[in-house]
Amino acid sequence: DARVTQTPRDKVTEMGQEVTMRCQPILGHNTVFWYRQTMMQGLELLAYFRNRAPLDDSGMPKDRFSAEMPDATLATLKIQPSEPRDSAVYFCASGLRGLAGLTDTQYFGPGTRLTVL
Amino acid sequence: TQLLEQSPQFLSIQEGENLTVYCNSSSVFSSLQWYRQEPGEGPVLLVTVVTGGEVKKLKRLTFQFGDARKDSSLHITAAQPGDTGLYLCAGAKDRWMNRDDKIIFGKGTRLHILP
Repeated sequence: DARVTQTPRDKVTEMGQEVTMRCQPILGHNTVFWYRQTMMQGLELLAYFRNRAPLDDSGMPKDRFSAEMPDATLATLKIQPSEPRDSAVYFCASGLRGLAGLTDTQYFGPGTRLTVL
Repeated sequence: TQLLEQSPQFLSIQEGENLTVYCNSSSVFSSLQWYRQEPGEGPVLLVTVVTGGEVKKLKRLTFQFGDARKDSSLHITAAQPGDTGLYLCAGAKDRWMNRDDKIIFGKGTRLHILP
């Protein structure tokens, strides 16, 4: 049963520290998304990649957030320096976009719950 | 900015009752998806609707895409405690767009079914 995995599941850190979240997409999927979920804002798209190339990162605060895919099996989201307002659950999702361009079915990971004190 | 408004935000009903939740927008979407999210987990896709007026059924859940493709509804018949969760709708702007057809999520309806 293929699943998206995310590590860590929970992270508590102090303001100013660097945070790195990791995601392993489902093998064979060519699209990876990073989302942030809070009660106030709901699920917000931060960035997404297709075939490891970044397509859109307009949802990310550029000065502190960065997203990369060093290889097809790993996506990372870094926050440096972290701030209390970054506290949220961060989800990674992967999907397979075919040539027909139909809507992605996104398979979400379990999320990383980040608390910045 | 395209927004998807979901209503109600919260709904608590007794087991066995019927309910409908809504997802509305002023924009046209080429397709719309419904997800259910349980505590501590990521959203899980329930259905995708792509044609205006389309109706899809998934056991006791009935999904409808509006004729103008601006809105959608989810109807649950005889709700059960296992239906409890956060229901999210998500719209895609243009399914034939070859690059940045990202999906936009509503904030969700939090449903609680009382046993």
